[in-house]
Amino acid sequence: DAGVIQSPRHEVTEMGQEVTLRCKPISGHDYLFWYRQTMMRGLELLIYFNNNVPIDDSGMPEDRFSAKMPNASFSTLKIQPSEPRDSAVYFCASNGRDLPNEQFFGPGTRLTVL
Amino acid sequence: QKEVEQDPGPLSVPEGAIVSLNCTYSNSAFQYFMWYRQYSRKGPELLMYTYSSGNKEDGRFTAQVDKSSKYISLFIRDSQPSDSATYLCAIAKTSYDKVIFGPGTSLSVIP
Repeated sequence: DAGVIQSPRHEVTEMGQEVTLRCKPISGHDYLFWYRQTMMRGLELLIYFNNNVPIDDSGMPEDRFSAKMPNASFSTLKIQPSEPRDSAVYFCASNGRDLPNEQFFGPGTRLTVL
Repeated sequence: QKEVEQDPGPLSVPEGAIVSLNCTYSNSAFQYFMWYRQYSRKGPELLMYTYSSGNKEDGRFTAQVDKSSKYISLFIRDSQPSDSATYLCAIAKTSYDKVIFGPGTSLSVIP
């Protein structure tokens, strides 16, 4: 298996622009998580899905952030409009049923908002 | 109070040393305890997984949980330069609950 796939790996954009991050979870995994990591705040859970349904979005910082999972093999995290304080590494992770708390992380998207 | 706290380091040790990494958590409802390792510019990966109190050993790594004091530890014996990474403790209340990560401790093992 190729593991969790994220794109793009790096994104540099200007304040006010829309940013879309993409994730393909491991096939057969029914949980998908979006995290944000910064030096100041560490690894923060933004939202997670079970069987494509959002379960907990309490970590989404504000209405500028939205996430969708239209099918079992694809999810997006969108920021509109982006702000410099959104600069961070965004990780997608998935897990299955063999070891439920074992999350498999993607390589991350490094976002810089100028 | 944060749900899980961890000394961020950085921690620097000579090759071959025994390393002790620690976390404390605030809620006795947490039952599942994990350690993730994160190399620079990579995503975290699961290193150790324990349920409830006790010790678990895997090669040079030992995870220890003391639920009475809400304290979890990771010991690394005979540390190697390849162990240089950030180690994040993680906790969960149930096997299907969201996982809460500590801020991570940066470890450097010097040859």
